[in-house]
Amino acid sequence: QQQVKQSPQSLIVQKGGISIINCAYENTAFDYFPWYQQFPGKGPALLIAIRPDVSEKKEGRFTISFNKSAKQFSLHIMDSQPGDSATYFCAASGLGAGNNRKLIWGLGTSLAVNP
Amino acid sequence: DADVTQTPRNRITKTGKRIMLECSQTKGHDRMYWYRQDPGLGLRLIYYSFDVKDINKGEISDGYSVSRQAQAKFSLSLESAIPNQTALYFCATSDQAGDTQYFGPGTRLTVL
Repeated sequence: QQQVKQSPQSLIVQKGGISIINCAYENTAFDYFPWYQQFPGKGPALLIAIRPDVSEKKEGRFTISFNKSAKQFSLHIMDSQPGDSATYFCAASGLGAGNNRKLIWGLGTSLAVNP
Repeated sequence: DADVTQTPRNRITKTGKRIMLECSQTKGHDRMYWYRQDPGLGLRLIYYSFDVKDINKGEISDGYSVSRQAQAKFSLSLESAIPNQTALYFCATSDQAGDTQYFGPGTRLTVL
């Protein structure tokens, strides 16, 4: 059972356009929602993250929108550039068994930005 | 120097061989993780360790074993490699809060 559902699986956007990747979760105990960016040949790296006490967080061209009631969050990349071409993973974190925090991953979205 | 290093970066081996992938970190984190990445399947957790004496199975531990030799070192072994273990393997670390994970560059393993 996929606890964090990510869509689309792949996305092609023109340079300058807006890239939007969506994630939905089921467990209301999740309280931290990061996005990771992975370039070819590299490991994933934290891009931006949000906690459910705010509905939006912006860092440069990257924005997370969070809808607690719908249990959904999304990544928006404004003015998309070819250098943004990468795989993006959403994730959700919360307390799991043994009072340890556990990170649950979406399946990833492959973004290609055409010049 | 990279905070999380993995060796080897690429490995081609044959079915039935024993393989060890190594991970070292200089971040001083207690928690370490091994993931495999397959196209369309995302990152799947193989094993994780909260400290040297605490090792736990992840969602796909069958066919794999691990060793935490020190706080900074976490190795993944395939006792008898099979072709469906061909994948990209990542080591990661986190602090005790566990929310942010720091990944190594990955090992591309091919089992023929």
